[in-house]
Amino acid sequence: AQTVTQSQPEMSVQEAETVTLSCTYDTSENNYYLFWYKQPPSRQMILVIRQEAYKQQNATENRFSVNFQKAAKSFSLKISDSQLGDTAMYFCAFRNNDMRFGAGTRLTVKP
Amino acid sequence: EAGVAQSPRYKIIEKRQSVAFWCNPISGHATLYWYQQILGQGPKLLIQFQNNGVVDDSQLPKDRFSAERLKGVDSTLKIQPAKLEDSAVYLCASSLGQVSNQPQHFGDGTRLSIL
Repeated sequence: AQTVTQSQPEMSVQEAETVTLSCTYDTSENNYYLFWYKQPPSRQMILVIRQEAYKQQNATENRFSVNFQKAAKSFSLKISDSQLGDTAMYFCAFRNNDMRFGAGTRLTVKP
Repeated sequence: EAGVAQSPRYKIIEKRQSVAFWCNPISGHATLYWYQQILGQGPKLLIQFQNNGVVDDSQLPKDRFSAERLKGVDSTLKIQPAKLEDSAVYLCASSLGQVSNQPQHFGDGTRLSIL
């Protein structure tokens, strides 16, 4: 069974600085997709970025980028120039057939 | 484009009572998902519909939970009777189809508290 592990329950970062959230997963599949979702206090899950496992190039979306290491089964999220609005829970997710989420990392951006 | 709509936003009931949640997905989205998110955990898939058919309900506690999507559009999730451990946020999501690369769009969820 696929499992997703986020080893950092909480993280904090100063505004304008860079922070990296960790995620590892376990699977025997070769083709799959990885996602980072953001969940602010409003509860709505918002897609931040996604990565196809067959692509070697790391995905980038504005201030958000990933470091995808397929052999190590690692999928970390880097947030550059952190903003107060980035404060939220961040969930890493793996999808082959069904979607599996990690337990989340609570990120606080401090002014 | 209107997002995924869910109601109610909050619900408080006593154990052994019944409750129902409603979800209206994004127009044109064939696939609909119900997730349970217990405090401090990531969402867990309860059931997945493709149009009006069930694709995956392997993690749905069928002795007390039921869900339907009769016309392939909106969906209802029911709990009868509720237990204390059902306290959670229930999230609905939709996507264009089942293909794994298609992102799921989530609603705001319903927070259920069992007394």
